[in-house]
Amino acid sequence: EAEVAQSPRYKITEKSQAVAFWCDPISGHATLYWYRQILGQGPELLVQFQDESVVDDSQLPKDRFSAERLKGVDSTLKIQPAELGDSAMYLCASRDRGSYNEQFFGPGTRLTVL
Amino acid sequence: GEDVEQSLFLSVREGDSSVINCTYTDSSSTYLYWYKQEPGAGLQLLTYIFSNMDMKQDQRLTVLLNKKDKHLSLRIADTQTGDSAIYFCAERGNRDDKIIFGKGTRLHILP
Repeated sequence: EAEVAQSPRYKITEKSQAVAFWCDPISGHATLYWYRQILGQGPELLVQFQDESVVDDSQLPKDRFSAERLKGVDSTLKIQPAELGDSAMYLCASRDRGSYNEQFFGPGTRLTVL
Repeated sequence: GEDVEQSLFLSVREGDSSVINCTYTDSSSTYLYWYKQEPGAGLQLLTYIFSNMDMKQDQRLTVLLNKKDKHLSLRIADTQTGDSAIYFCAERGNRDDKIIFGKGTRLHILP
């Protein structure tokens, strides 16, 4: 069964360092989402891509976060510099074009900033 | 603004029914969802209901929607130990496909 892949699964870093997360959506899924899930909260959308274009990045802290999906397939989310408050689970999800009812989530990357 | 509220914890004995409740504020919501998250894993869509429906049943799962009160519930019949997880209520408005999630209800199964 096709799945959304994410790596790494766990990342520990010191504040002020740079970190990057990778997501490979389900093949053929045009829409890709990055969410941040703080412990005890629901996921919050950071950025949404349609193919290689950003559709919504209104909640992305652009002074330190960046996201790209250069070829409209896999995507990278970067944080530079990391801050203590960035500790969270970063989830990637993808959706098939025209199917608005289901976003398929990856297992997430748990980031701990020390 | 858009907001989704749900209780944080629920304890149920194995074999009993679990009922998880949720309220939302966006009256223009078109779809309402229930997601399940097991420890260390991503979210899995359990079921969804369109806003013009008031009930949907899928095997052990029953979703009830009271659109007037903006209240959504998920009933799990014959609760099993494998149902232990966090359940997220979520809604999508008709302006875009942005999904707003609640904080999740942790379901604990008692032996």
